[in-house]
Amino acid sequence: KQEVTQIPAALSVPEGENLVLNCSFTDSAIYNLQWFRQDPGKGLTSLLLIQSSQREQTSGRLNASLDKSSGRSTLYIAASQPGDSATYLCAVKDQTGANNLFFGTGTRLTVIP
Amino acid sequence: EAQVTQNPRYLITVTGKKLTVTCSQNMNHEYMSWYRQDPGLGLRQIYYSMNVEVTDKGDVPEGYKVSRKEKRNFPLILESPSPNQTSLYFCASSLRPDPTGELFFGEGSRLTVL
Repeated sequence: KQEVTQIPAALSVPEGENLVLNCSFTDSAIYNLQWFRQDPGKGLTSLLLIQSSQREQTSGRLNASLDKSSGRSTLYIAASQPGDSATYLCAVKDQTGANNLFFGTGTRLTVIP
Repeated sequence: EAQVTQNPRYLITVTGKKLTVTCSQNMNHEYMSWYRQDPGLGLRQIYYSMNVEVTDKGDVPEGYKVSRKEKRNFPLILESPSPNQTSLYFCASSLRPDPTGELFFGEGSRLTVL
């Protein structure tokens, strides 16, 4: 069964730093990988979706990469801001289930002003 | 505004008292799904629906029921809630039951069963 791991579980950085969040998955037979942001008491906001045929996706200060063969994805956040503080989740949709997303447990990011 | 709406957002109930969490989307999406989120376990799929009158079990379906009588609505039913169903529940939808599609999530329903 697909297992998704995110390390570290928590990360604190000073404002303005560039940072990288990591996601790894065990089965490389995936359709896509999606990065989400979750604020306390809120739902999940989709940040970036990378299809299995793609290597990266960019949106503003965010850049997500995908190395399917090694089972890894990274989310790069440039020039971090306090408003970026949230929990970031990655999820993969693999080829075994019917549209089921397998989630990591997230990285809780705190950007210190 | 395109959105997935869940109700109630917060609910405290007692063991055995039937409850329904509603989910509605206004994007004409075919695919809908329910997840629960628990500390240390991440989000896990409960049930999903490929289209009207088509539903199937996810990874953790025990103790739950769903129905899909209309395209826009996908209620989650707990016939006899138990404390181990205390969790944060999310409804999600996507345009088609296409594995490459992007999932959109509601804001969550926090359920406490005493």
